[in-house]
Amino acid sequence: DAGVIQSPRHEVTEMGQEVTLRCKPISGHNSLFWYRQTMMRGLELLIYFNNNVPIDDSGMPEDRFSAKMPNASFSTLKIQPSEPRDSAVYFCASSRWESSYNEQFFGPGTRLTVL
Amino acid sequence: AQTVTQSQPEMSVQEAETVTLSCTYDTSESDYYLFWYKQPPSRQMILVIRQEAYKQQNATENRFSVNFQKAAKSFSLKISDSQLGDAAMYFCAYSLSGNTPLVFGKGTRLSVIA
Repeated sequence: DAGVIQSPRHEVTEMGQEVTLRCKPISGHNSLFWYRQTMMRGLELLIYFNNNVPIDDSGMPEDRFSAKMPNASFSTLKIQPSEPRDSAVYFCASSRWESSYNEQFFGPGTRLTVL
Repeated sequence: AQTVTQSQPEMSVQEAETVTLSCTYDTSESDYYLFWYKQPPSRQMILVIRQEAYKQQNATENRFSVNFQKAAKSFSLKISDSQLGDAAMYFCAYSLSGNTPLVFGKGTRLSVIA
């Protein structure tokens, strides 16, 4: 398996532009998580899905952020409009909750820079 | 809400020596999972070791072992025979199950001195 795939790996954009981050979870996994990593706040959950259904989006900073999971193999995180304070590394992770191993597998992350 | 605290922002260890990274957490649950993740400069999150709270035996993975003290809500990571490749950020994390989010500590940056 290729692992969790995220694209793009790096994104540089200007304030006010729309940004879309993409994630393909591991095949067969039924939970998907979006985390954000910053120096100030560390690693924090933005939103997660079980069986493609959003369960908790309380970590989404504000209405500028939205996430979708239209099917089991694809999720997007959209920021519109983007602001410099959104600059961070965004991780997608997936897991199979029936697994006794209970591990979340992380993608390589997307480093977002908003100028 | 569950919280995870790593009190050591930075640690250093001589190559081949042993180092222990500290982690404490707060939860009212009796069943949960604890993890240590390694993040090298490549920023990839790599699972180092995991511990189920219902297991009294401390988990071990080669040179990595944990000291899990459930009553004290403590979960430290011991790295034996440290290698240059162990240099990284280490995050302690908590979750209730495989379909619930991880709660992370702020991390400990480990340097390995040759």
